[in-house]
Amino acid sequence: KNEVEQSPQNLTAQEGEFITINCSYSVGISALHWLQQHPGGGIVSLFMLSSGKKKHGRLIATINIQEKHSSLHITASHPRDSAVYICAVRAYSGGGADGLTFGKGTHLIIQP
Amino acid sequence: EPEVTQTPSHQVTQMGQEVILRCVPISNHLYFYWYRQILGQKVEFLVSFYNNEISEKSEIFDDQFSVERPDGSNFTLKIRSTKLEDSAMYFCASSSGRVGYGYTFGSGTRLTVV
Repeated sequence: KNEVEQSPQNLTAQEGEFITINCSYSVGISALHWLQQHPGGGIVSLFMLSSGKKKHGRLIATINIQEKHSSLHITASHPRDSAVYICAVRAYSGGGADGLTFGKGTHLIIQP
Repeated sequence: EPEVTQTPSHQVTQMGQEVILRCVPISNHLYFYWYRQILGQKVEFLVSFYNNEISEKSEIFDDQFSVERPDGSNFTLKIRSTKLEDSAMYFCASSSGRVGYGYTFGSGTRLTVV
């Protein structure tokens, strides 16, 4: 069974701090997604990774396929970054698995 | 930027009633999904849909659930006889490809069964 674990579950930091959120998973995957969920509930896709590293603005996502681990970094954090950040993976199987398996999310609060 | 649109944003229904949740995926996307999130819990996969048929479904997606793409633009999730435990946020998502493509999620429908 595919498990997706995120750490930390909750993170409170001061504006400007460098933030790291970690994700580990238990099976081979074809892709890993980082998602953002705001209090209203909507989900926004931040990154889709299958290898290496991606950067968008102040957000950086990395993945190590061999270690089954990914990190999401936020540089120069800002109160508007406050949200739940969710890691989700698409397991790899011979027939192709469609559904994503989600982590529980990391609740991030950036204080001014 | 193209969006996935879900309606209604909030629906309250009585236990045992049928509900239909509606989604308009991005027009050139080919793969469609429904997920749900019970309050305070993680998001769970329900079903994926491609080429007018279900391509994968989870254990949650039992006989009370069905999906349809009735007119080439809408993608619907029907719950035949709602139960209290069906109360959740339901998210529709679409993707232009199956593997190696990002998802676009809708803003969700909050279903409350009373």
